[in-house]
Amino acid sequence: GAGVSQSPSNKVTEKGKDVELRCDPISGHTALYWYRQSLGQGLEFLIYFQGNSAPDKSGLPSDRFSAERTGGSVSTLTIQRTQQEDSAVYLCASSPGNTIYFGEGSWLTVV
Amino acid sequence: GQQVMQIPQYQHVQEGEDFTTYCNSSTTLSNIQWYKQRPGGHPVFLIQLVKSGEVKKQKRLTFQFGEAKKNSSLHITATQTTDVGTYFCASRSGTYKYIFGTGTRLKVLA
Repeated sequence: GAGVSQSPSNKVTEKGKDVELRCDPISGHTALYWYRQSLGQGLEFLIYFQGNSAPDKSGLPSDRFSAERTGGSVSTLTIQRTQQEDSAVYLCASSPGNTIYFGEGSWLTVV
Repeated sequence: GQQVMQIPQYQHVQEGEDFTTYCNSSTTLSNIQWYKQRPGGHPVFLIQLVKSGEVKKQKRLTFQFGEAKKNSSLHITATQTTDVGTYFCASRSGTYKYIFGTGTRLKVLA
């Protein structure tokens, strides 16, 4: 596609359930990022991938969060046993090496 | 780890007034990028500065990178309602990781 595609765009889940967020980056972009943005707040770095490997997982908030990227393309961010504080917009972005292109985000609400 | 602070956190201006946001780091930055996020939208790349003392302009927007490469500013001349949004600076940490500043939320009153 022309831009970074994320799904679902909106997700409401019950506390304790697992959720999976998907990101389809711009074709050919080697770097892929996940950021989290709580309402009215800044961008919190979660993880980035270079190809299929994740050199930096330092931003993942807890062991309930995990991410993978397969085939150097699509990435999934999984949140296990969701908590209310996980409610936020999860932004995926990709880059050919310099400029970062963001997707529209996945709005997650944990009730 | 590298941190990038932005001031002010919020700014309300009357339409036609100027606006400036500042980005500061305690360490030397390899580069600085600026992004704009409209309300309800996602961040969109505006510009990148790399050289010490660099100044770039985009219409009413002027971007500066400090001589010591530890700070940067974005100045908007004669704000318009279309300038509303949050402005983020970002800098590369390592090869590909980008750290974003805390953002400045701009509100323009018509």
